[in-house]
Amino acid sequence: EAGVTQFPSHSVIEKGQTVTLRCDPISGHDNLYWYRRVMGKEIKFLLHFVKESKQDESGMPNNRFLAERTGGTYSTLKVQPAELEDSGVYFCASSPKQGLNTEAFFGQGTRLTVV
Amino acid sequence: QQQVKQSPQSLIVQKGGISIINCAYENTAFDYFPWYQQFPGKGPALLIAIRPDVSEKKEGRFTISFNKSAKQFSLHIMDSQPGDSATYFCAASLYGGYQKVTFGIGTKLQVIP
Repeated sequence: EAGVTQFPSHSVIEKGQTVTLRCDPISGHDNLYWYRRVMGKEIKFLLHFVKESKQDESGMPNNRFLAERTGGTYSTLKVQPAELEDSGVYFCASSPKQGLNTEAFFGQGTRLTVV
Repeated sequence: QQQVKQSPQSLIVQKGGISIINCAYENTAFDYFPWYQQFPGKGPALLIAIRPDVSEKKEGRFTISFNKSAKQFSLHIMDSQPGDSATYFCAASLYGGYQKVTFGIGTKLQVIP
């Protein structure tokens, strides 16, 4: 079974440009999460989808970030316009329906560098 | 505000030794405490997890010790091996991990032969 897949693995863009990150969760997983790790800092929660609905978007830094999950399958995270402080590794994770011991499986991450 | 504090940030242990990573949390509502292991170029992977109703959980060479009154928990890696070299994250969550996970800053462990 395929794990959580993220595209691209790396992205280098100039300040002011737009970048779209994609996450394909494990098939059948209702929950999809986005996290970000800025260099030297902890991994921080961005938002949580349950199917196509945003369950919790309290971690989104500002309105330059837009996340979507069309049809409750894959998700995209768009940064527009990108700023230098947006650099970091963006992780996506997915988990099955709510329940005890619901392990979240992480993708390999997208390393975003804004120059 | 860092809700889960982790130390040390880097650790070098000789092969066969014990690696110990400590974490402390603030939110007493947390009810799920996972540890993640991350190798370079990979995402974090769940290593072992504990709930606050138990004081210790052991899986192979990995043991979590949990002190609810002190709001602290730790990971012990017995007989550390070079293959254990990775970054380890402690974390905490509500509702059994269903909701967002709050991570510690991470510990980069290097096990030298």
